[in-house]
Amino acid sequence: ETGVTQSPTHLIKTRGQQVTLRCSSQSGHNTVSWYQQALGQGPQFIFQYYREEENGRGNFPPRFSGLQFPNYSSELNVNALELDDSALYLCASSFPGLAGGETQYFGPGTRLLVL
Amino acid sequence: AQTVTQSQPEMSVQEAETVTLSCTYDTSENNYYLFWYKQPPSRQMILVIRQEAYKQQNATENRFSVNFQKAAKSFSLKISDSQLGDTAMYFCAFIGTQGGSEKLVFGKGTKLTVNP
Repeated sequence: ETGVTQSPTHLIKTRGQQVTLRCSSQSGHNTVSWYQQALGQGPQFIFQYYREEENGRGNFPPRFSGLQFPNYSSELNVNALELDDSALYLCASSFPGLAGGETQYFGPGTRLLVL
Repeated sequence: AQTVTQSQPEMSVQEAETVTLSCTYDTSENNYYLFWYKQPPSRQMILVIRQEAYKQQNATENRFSVNFQKAAKSFSLKISDSQLGDTAMYFCAFIGTQGGSEKLVFGKGTKLTVNP
């Protein structure tokens, strides 16, 4: 069974640029959630994708957008990068059951630095 | 609003001893799920333990156990026989719903150092 993978591991961008981060979900998982973890903080929910549709969004501006593909892999796109976007971006996959609360399994993250 | 509070930014423990990490949360929901995740310096977030709120029995996973007090909205993690590999950031998290999705709400974390 393959775990959650993310690419790239590190990225340096300048303010105003655009970035795309990628995530491959764990085998059999159809739900992908994205989180932003600023230095010294807990992760903050950005949005979730379920069966290729956005299924909930946190308090992030529209310049944060995403996609999910038929194989359930996902992309996070951030436009017009700002210095405060510097963070570790975590992807987590899960397979929601009827009872809910299924465990989310995390990838290693992408460290984004905006200069 | 759903919030998770971890009041201990840093803790340390001697190898082989026991340590307890605190967590409180706030929610208006009656049924929910609580988690402890571990994030070692290599940064990959790993599930330590999961608790379903409707289950009164405290969850245990080998050396890890929780003390779940639903009325007090408290969910502490006990690590017994601490090992050097337990050194990590520990995050308490709660499954909340927003717009129909299930999002994890995290605390700010407790940095645990196990000393030899």
